[in-house]
Amino acid sequence: RKEVEQDPGPFNVPEGATVAFNCTYSNSASQSFFWYRQDCRKEPKLLMSVYSSGNEDGRFTAQLNRASQYISLLIRDSKLSDSATYLCVVNINSNSGYALNFGKGTSLLVTP
Amino acid sequence: DVKVTQSSRYLVKRTGEKVFLECVQDMDHENMFWYRQDPGLGLRLIYFSYDVKMKEKGDIPEGYSVSREKKERFSLILESASTNQTSMYLCASNDIAGVSYEQYFGPGTRLTVT
Repeated sequence: RKEVEQDPGPFNVPEGATVAFNCTYSNSASQSFFWYRQDCRKEPKLLMSVYSSGNEDGRFTAQLNRASQYISLLIRDSKLSDSATYLCVVNINSNSGYALNFGKGTSLLVTP
Repeated sequence: DVKVTQSSRYLVKRTGEKVFLECVQDMDHENMFWYRQDPGLGLRLIYFSYDVKMKEKGDIPEGYSVSREKKERFSLILESASTNQTSMYLCASNDIAGVSYEQYFGPGTRLTVT
C-alpha cells in the first residue's frame, strides 16, 4: 500500500547550494502533508507541515500541488547540518485514528 | 515538550522467544502507533491504537500483536520472534484535538533476533 513515492537519492550537494526534493502521493483525498527529517540512527522529527498556499520556514520552502498530487521541499543555502534523510508524509484517510503514510525518504549529503 | 519513551534502545532475542516492546507517552495523546523501519523499505505501520483497548491493523500486522491497557502505554508483542523481525521499531503518538496529525516519535528500539 505504498502511496507516497520519493526519489531515494542520495543527493550530494556542496555547501551553499540549493536543492529540491519532490514527492508524489496517490490518495487524492489526503488532507495533511508533512516533511519529516531523520538523522542517521535517530527517530524522525517534524521539519514542517505543508499548506495549500505553500509555506516557508527560514531556508526551507514547502509547496503542495493538489492537482498533480505532489509535494516539494526546497532548501536554500545548504548547510552541513542539513545532511539527513527527508521523509515525505501524507495522512491516511481512516475512520479511526490519524495514521500517516511515510515515503521511503530522500537522502541528502551536504559536503564542504 | 512531548516525550515518547521506549523501554529499550537495543535488544537481542532468540528465535521463538516472546518479545515485549513498551512505549510510553506523557502528553495524553489519544493515538499511538508502532512502526518498523528497514533499509530500502522505509517506515511501515504495524498497528495503531486510537483509544484504550482499541487497536487497528496497519500494513504489516502478521507476527505481531499489541496491547493498550492505559492511555499512555502501548505495547508491541512478538509472539514468537523470528529472524525476519530483526529491525528498528519506532513508536509514535499524536493528538486528535489539534487536527494537525503530527506524530511524535520515540527514540526507537533496535531489535536483533538470532
